[in-house]
Amino acid sequence: EDQVTQSPEALRLQEGESSSLNCSYTVSGLRGLFWYRQDPGKGPEFLFTLYSAGEEKEKERLKATLTKKESFLHITAPKPEDSATYLCAVQAEKLGNKLVFGAGTILRVKS
Amino acid sequence: ETGVTQTPRHLVMGMTNKKSLKCEQHLGHNAMYWYKQSAKKPLELMFVYNFKEQTENNSVPSRFSPECPNSSHLFLHLHTLQPEDSALYLCASSHAGVGNEQYFGPGTRLTVT
Repeated sequence: EDQVTQSPEALRLQEGESSSLNCSYTVSGLRGLFWYRQDPGKGPEFLFTLYSAGEEKEKERLKATLTKKESFLHITAPKPEDSATYLCAVQAEKLGNKLVFGAGTILRVKS
Repeated sequence: ETGVTQTPRHLVMGMTNKKSLKCEQHLGHNAMYWYKQSAKKPLELMFVYNFKEQTENNSVPSRFSPECPNSSHLFLHLHTLQPEDSALYLCASSHAGVGNEQYFGPGTRLTVT
């Protein structure tokens, strides 16, 4: 069964304290791994797509990496405005354009 | 308007009411989706339309009825809902095919009383 597991469920950081969020997946024929940011009461906002192991993408303080079993979202020197829920989703060959989402990591950055 | 828009943003309805949710995308995409987001649960795919054709119904109860009149508009018709249907309903769109990111609307917060 295709599964996406995110950890930790919640993470509290001090401003400037770097850390990583994990997304592990079991899916055959990965066609894309997607990271989204979701603020309370809003729809998910697209951040990155990773397609193959070894790929990395960066945007401001965020960097996403991918291996054959998991992806990490590294947050460098976070600010309070980075507080949000971060969602990971995968697309697999047999699923077509469907996304399977993880439950998300709630990030709180305190000043 | 830009991106994906949804109306209404908030909806309170009784169990015997009939209402509809509307989604419109301004991104030139040809695939549209309905998702349900309940507290502490992963996003749950409900329906998929590719080129206006429904290609996925993820075992959704018949009290939810989707409609896609063209590749820019998507509706979700609701009738005789249950309190457990209260959730955030999200619409998304993408280019059809594998590997394309989906862009989400702001959602409709539905409360069934």
